[in-house]
Amino acid sequence: KNEVEQSPQNLTAQEGEFITINCSYSVGISALHWLQQHPGGGIVSLFMLSSGKKKHGRLIATINIQEKHSSLHITASHPRDSAVYICALYSNYQLIWGAGTKLIIKP
Amino acid sequence: DADVTQTPRNRITKTGKRIMLECSQTKGHDRMYWYRQDPGLGLRLIYYSFDVKDINKGEISDGYSVSRQAQAKFSLSLESAIPNQTALYFCATSDWTFSKNTGELFFGEGSRLTVL
Repeated sequence: KNEVEQSPQNLTAQEGEFITINCSYSVGISALHWLQQHPGGGIVSLFMLSSGKKKHGRLIATINIQEKHSSLHITASHPRDSAVYICALYSNYQLIWGAGTKLIIKP
Repeated sequence: DADVTQTPRNRITKTGKRIMLECSQTKGHDRMYWYRQDPGLGLRLIYYSFDVKDINKGEISDGYSVSRQAQAKFSLSLESAIPNQTALYFCATSDWTFSKNTGELFFGEGSRLTVL
């Protein structure tokens, strides 16, 4: 079983929809990252969190340490949000990477 | 200038050739990483370095070597490239510290390597 699992693997939605991407893990962690990768592009860190909730613009990230689960939400989604979203965990001083969720927002 | 710069951004080479991918950073971070990304797969760690004298193999180090020339520079070499090393390669840095037991991540733009 993978130590970190993201769902869904692929998500297509209409512009304006509320988007939720999930990350579940089975190991103890010190922090969790959410990152974004645009097609053909580099990788950008969106959030690093170890508890609670963070918000940046239309993006919201939450984490529940007891349930070993994190979610990334996008409000009022836009075609420019189309990207791969990746969660990564710091566990035992190492980074463990999820496989990513490919999001497509249609106009 | 970008915080993490990779060169070259694109490279096509032939089987058996030696290739070096270079990474430089202006963040002043001790931790640097080289990752490989294949279509449909997540990032896989090739090598990582916690400082200039501390270099470690990742999960897929076979066929690769690295050099940490300075705190700011971390190079990845393919001594004899083969077609299944065709991939997108990323360099990353982190300001991880023992006291925080976490750190921010900064990535280069990636180096796309094609081995014919």
